Amino acid sequence: GESVGLHLPTLSVQKGDNSIINCAYSNSASDYFIWYKQESGKGPQFIIDIRSNMDKRQGQRVTVLLNKTVKHLSLQIAATQPGDSAVYFCAGTSGTYKYIFGTGTRLKVLA
Amino acid sequence: DGGITQSPKYLFRKEGQNVTLSCEQNLNHDAMYWYRQDPGQGLRLIYYSQIVNDFQKGDIAEGYSVSREKKESFPLTVTSAQKNPTAFYLCASSILSRAGDGYTFGSGTRLTVV
Repeated sequence: GESVGLHLPTLSVQKGDNSIINCAYSNSASDYFIWYKQESGKGPQFIIDIRSNMDKRQGQRVTVLLNKTVKHLSLQIAATQPGDSAVYFCAGTSGTYKYIFGTGTRLKVLA
Repeated sequence: DGGITQSPKYLFRKEGQNVTLSCEQNLNHDAMYWYRQDPGQGLRLIYYSQIVNDFQKGDIAEGYSVSREKKESFPLTVTSAQKNPTAFYLCASSILSRAGDGYTFGSGTRLTVV
């Protein structure tokens, strides 16, 4: 079935280093992707999105890369801070209002 | 401020009891959704609604019921038929007129069976 998954359940990085969180998807018709950040006990918050006609999109300290050939996207966080500690989800849709969510990667920022 | 509000934040249910989780949004969003989140798993869709007085089952609708009598409100009832209801429940909303515009999530309700 259709799926959106993440490669690693936990990622630990040193404060100030760059973080890269990966996500793979199975539906080649998926044309819009979002990265969400979820802090403990809270709802997910929108970080950045990308449409399938783009390869890269940059936000404040975050960059999303999309490789449609291998159906892979990544979230890069520059100069990771303690406040970045959270679970990160990718979600994809094929043009409908329904999204498929990945299982999430927990990012731990080490002092 | 516009947003989506879930209540209560914590809810305890006894065996055989029905409980209702509240979700209200003042974003004027057309669609609303209920997701269930279990540890180590992604979000699973329970029910969704695109318009008032209409809703559709998601992937794990058994043991749950919803209503959409107002655009702003989409309450979820966890019935006694739901055998494993302990989870974190998330409500979300979105604008349908802009496909692929993402969700706004509430802060969640943690339901525990006691």
